[in-house]
Amino acid sequence: GDSVTQMEGPVTLSEEAFLTINCTYTATGYPSLFWYVQYPGEGLQLLLKATKADDKGSNKGFEATYRKETTSFHLEKGSVQVSDSAVYFCALSVRNSGYALNFGKGTSLLVTP
Amino acid sequence: NAGVTQTPKFQVLKTGQSMTLQCAQDMNHEYMSWYRQDPGMGLRLIHYSVGAGITDQGEVPNGYNVSRSTTEDFPLRLLSAAPSQTSVYFCASSGGGSNQPQHFGDGTRLSIL
Repeated sequence: GDSVTQMEGPVTLSEEAFLTINCTYTATGYPSLFWYVQYPGEGLQLLLKATKADDKGSNKGFEATYRKETTSFHLEKGSVQVSDSAVYFCALSVRNSGYALNFGKGTSLLVTP
Repeated sequence: NAGVTQTPKFQVLKTGQSMTLQCAQDMNHEYMSWYRQDPGMGLRLIHYSVGAGITDQGEVPNGYNVSRSTTEDFPLRLLSAAPSQTSVYFCASSGGGSNQPQHFGDGTRLSIL
């Protein structure tokens, strides 16, 4: 079945460091791919999305490119801030589950001053 | 802009008790879903609905019931709570289609003693 695998955390970076969180997927068909972010004590917020191969999603300095050949959707940011500390989830939509999301296990990011 | 509203935010139950977690959305979304979030497990789909009167099971449906009598509401029922159901529960809605993001509520933190 469809699944998402993302790198395990926690990831600890210094402010202004470069961030990569790896995400790979297995899916039948051509799913849409998403990154969600969860700040402490809050629900999930959409960070960015890509709906077809070679699409690049971007938001708040974060980027991810839908790579069909490597079935990947890695999240990157060139210079992280303390306020980026959160848990990041990679996900794909599943048509035969009402387009509900299939999530990776999440990656916790801590950015230190 | 209420979005997706979940109540209650916190609840403690004893084993064997029943309760209903409420979820309401005001965006006229056809698609709604329930997830549970457990440490190290990401979010897992419990049940979903593609419209009023239509529900189906997700990855972890055992011990939970749902109904969808209106477009706005999608309650989740625990008929006989078990300690294994201790979790954080999130409700989400979307307009449908693989490229539409899910909008999440703030979650219900449920403890079963």
